[in-house]
Amino acid sequence: DAKTTQPNSMESNEEEPVHLPCNHSTISGTDYIHWYRQLPSQGPEYVIHGLTSNVNNRMASLAIAEDRKSSTLILHRATLRDAAVYYCILSPNYGQNFVFGPGTRLSVLP
Amino acid sequence: DTAVSQTPKYLVTQMGNDKSIKCEQNLGHDTMYWYKQDSKKFLKIMFSYNNKELIINETVPNRFSPKSPDKAHLNLHINSLELGDSAVYFCASSPPGQGYYEQYFGPGTRLTVT
Repeated sequence: DAKTTQPNSMESNEEEPVHLPCNHSTISGTDYIHWYRQLPSQGPEYVIHGLTSNVNNRMASLAIAEDRKSSTLILHRATLRDAAVYYCILSPNYGQNFVFGPGTRLSVLP
Repeated sequence: DTAVSQTPKYLVTQMGNDKSIKCEQNLGHDTMYWYKQDSKKFLKIMFSYNNKELIINETVPNRFSPKSPDKAHLNLHINSLELGDSAVYFCASSPPGQGYYEQYFGPGTRLTVT
């Protein structure tokens, strides 16, 4: 399985944008890029996914590098509720076997 | 309206006992999973079932046996519990079809083996 690398932790101020990076230099052509987050004492929840093009949804935006070797999850205005561990995961288009790394622990300061 | 539910939420038991964790999803999904999150917070997939058939069985001791009575349920039975089994166990499900799968996770079951 292709690996991802994320910073261990990041900090943001409330109502400011947050850019969470993910490196995946060994990504294959069929790998989707998924982002999940895990709030304290909860199960992971889906944030966004993409293949090649940048993606937007109500929660976040996903910016994918042209060579697909890195991506950035963008939270446009961080709230206290966004404090969580964010996971960047690669999975082939037929795959269901998510491999979660340690993720990035995001702290949001009031 | 709970999409993926697990029972119990907490489970404290002694070494050597046998216990089960139940999972139910009301989303009409075909695929269900069990994940284990250990004390270091790493989430690892254990099993995946599609339409009641085992698809993925990662390197998990034989003491762990998933059972899927129907598409909406995937229970996890653990025999002869060991201290190292202490963890949070998450059930998840995903919709049918080819391509991308969004997984929906339950709230987790914290298992403590003493």
